[in-house]
Amino acid sequence: DQQVKQNSPSLSVQEGRISILNCDYTNSMFDYFLWYKKYPAEGPTFLISISSIKDKNEDGRFTVFLNKSAKHLSLHIVPSQPGDSAVYFCAASGSGTASKLTFGTGTRLQVTL
Amino acid sequence: DADVTQTPRNRITKTGKRIMLECSQTKGHDRMYWYRQDPGLGLRLIYYSFDVKDINKGEISDGYSVSRQAQAKFSLSLESAIPNQTALYFCATSDSRDWYGYTFGSGTRLTVV
Repeated sequence: DQQVKQNSPSLSVQEGRISILNCDYTNSMFDYFLWYKKYPAEGPTFLISISSIKDKNEDGRFTVFLNKSAKHLSLHIVPSQPGDSAVYFCAASGSGTASKLTFGTGTRLQVTL
Repeated sequence: DADVTQTPRNRITKTGKRIMLECSQTKGHDRMYWYRQDPGLGLRLIYYSFDVKDINKGEISDGYSVSRQAQAKFSLSLESAIPNQTALYFCATSDSRDWYGYTFGSGTRLTVV
C-alpha cells in the first residue's frame, strides 16, 4: 500500500515557467515532509522540507506548500531552469527520532528550452 | 571521495547466485539504510540500522539480509538472487540528531538474469 503517491510520473515545462509537482499521502501520522531531487547516475539529494506546523516553506526558487486537511503537498519551482530537469521524490515521516522516510513514486521533470 | 560509497556500481548476476552489495560512509552518521528503486514504485525501504547493534526490517525485506560490520559499513546480501530483484539499490545515511537529512550513495544497478 503506497502511503506517499506522486500521481504524475512525468512533467514537461518550458524554461522560465513555473513547475508544480504534486504529492499525496494517506498516513495521518506523517508530520514532516521533504523533497529530494535525483539526477541520472546519482543518488537523491535533499532539496527542501516542511513541518506540519507550517503551510509554506521557501528556499530561493523552490517553495513547498502543505495542505494537511487534504493530505497534499506540492513543490513549486519558479522560474524553471534546464538544470532542474531531474526526478523529484517527495518523502514523509512521522515525528520522533525513530522515524524513517517513506518515499513517493517520483516525478520526472523535463525543462525545455 | 564520496561521503557514501557503494560498490559495485553495476552488477549482472545469474539467478540463484549469492551477491553482496557494500556501502561505506565517511559522514560519521550512526544510521544507515538500504532502499531499492523500481520504475513506478519509487524508493522502498529494505533494511535499516540505527546503530551497529541495531538491525530492522523495512517494508520489502524478504529475500534480503544485511550486516552492519561497523558504524561506517552496511552491506546488503541477496542469498539467492531472482530476476525480480533486478533494480537500482541505494544506501543512505543519516544522523540521529538530524534524522531526516539523508545522504545517499550513487547507487548500484543490479541485474539478475
